[in-house]
Amino acid sequence: QVQLVQSGAEVKKPGASVKVSCKSSGYTFISYDINWVRQANGQGLEWMGWMNPNTGTTGYAQKFQGRVTMTRNTSISTAYMELNSLTSEDTAVYYCARTSWGLDYWGQGTLVTVSS
Amino acid sequence: DIVMTQSPDSLAVSLGERATINCKSSQSVLYSSNNKNSLAWYQQKPGQPPKLLIYWASTRKSGVPDRFSGSGSGTDFTLTISSLQAEDVAIYYCQQYYTSSWTFGQGTKVEIK
Repeated sequence: QVQLVQSGAEVKKPGASVKVSCKSSGYTFISYDINWVRQANGQGLEWMGWMNPNTGTTGYAQKFQGRVTMTRNTSISTAYMELNSLTSEDTAVYYCARTSWGLDYWGQGTLVTVSS
Repeated sequence: DIVMTQSPDSLAVSLGERATINCKSSQSVLYSSNNKNSLAWYQQKPGQPPKLLIYWASTRKSGVPDRFSGSGSGTDFTLTISSLQAEDVAIYYCQQYYTSSWTFGQGTKVEIK
């Protein structure tokens, strides 16, 4: 069965960076794009960007341009999302999701807390 | 970016009754090459990731109960739960994947009256 398993919760100081991993199984990793979506506590869903695991091509929401990097390691079927220059506004649950028509399978989410 | 606006923000429906959620996009999401609308609906329960219910505006994902249906075209869309069950209490989001910059609606909370 398709599974996306994300890395554990992180606590970071303002100005730091965080790198979240998303390990895929149950399907051919390079055949489906991976998107990243975040959700602040009690808030809605915010799309961050996408990555083609086959080519490494990425597309980022304008809000995160210059601050986010999405990469992958195809040998271990894992996608990564790195966010730099963290502020308290980046405190949220970060999700990876496989792209089919819409986002058909999601990781369990990774809580990133930014606090001094 | 395309702005997705859902209405209402919340609604309370009796068990077995119909729930209707609307979603309006700031521009058409009709993909001319296949005449399909690039619109998806998700259900999110507390403490869980969202779950895809509907894509191409009206195609149910495999395994989704048939009481969930999607309709609409162009800029106006609807998610209907034909007979609300207790397990349907959740927040529902629409999302467009028409442009390269995807966007979600703000969410609609569905509760039992």
